[in-house]
Amino acid sequence: DAKTTQPTSMDCAEGRAANLPCNHSTISGNEYVYWYRQIHSQGPQYIIHGLKNNETNEMASLIITEDRKSSTLILPHATLRDTAVYYCIVDGTGGFKTIFGAGTRLFVKA
Amino acid sequence: KAGVTQTPRYLIKTRGQQVTLSCSPISGHRSVSWYQQTPGQGLQFLFEYFSETQRNKGNFPGRFSGRQFSNSRSEMNVSTLELGDSALYLCASSYRGSGDSPLHFGNGTRLTVT
Repeated sequence: DAKTTQPTSMDCAEGRAANLPCNHSTISGNEYVYWYRQIHSQGPQYIIHGLKNNETNEMASLIITEDRKSSTLILPHATLRDTAVYYCIVDGTGGFKTIFGAGTRLFVKA
Repeated sequence: KAGVTQTPRYLIKTRGQQVTLSCSPISGHRSVSWYQQTPGQGLQFLFEYFSETQRNKGNFPGRFSGRQFSNSRSEMNVSTLELGDSALYLCASSYRGSGDSPLHFGNGTRLTVT
């Protein structure tokens, strides 16, 4: 079973920030939080990851709570091309056996 | 830097046949993972290879197998194909194959079994 819980779907207006929440209450100390997204018929695309600190890159920001039990992916200015399924996963060391849940289907509307 | 390349992009096979899919990882990446994606089951982990050794395996029957070569390129094989094997097969490579190393996916091979 996936170690994360995400809303099934969310809407966002174009140009506004999209805030995608994720709960991972059973995360262990050496597990990272990863975010990927998948646009129809393509492979998932890596967005961002973090361990404890908040992270920012050219695509998004990742906010991790102090207790590490939840996180939020922020797309600062959503565009129509950000419409996709967003996956939040946790993964540790020693080789990947990544478990993807159902993700959040984000609809960006004009 | 070139991304993960999967070949072929599409494949149609008949029940009972076997199929081999190929994956070329990003240069320098030593870990290659394989996933099956279907509308009903979502993304499911098949197996992961690191330096030619299978390190992790998902809950799939023995008909699904794989291997990794010394140049990190990987193949997966499905024997005695069943209709339910119709899916998008995705390959992902990773630099370290450990926690602080993102997965980079190819665009997959879409297999249709008739």
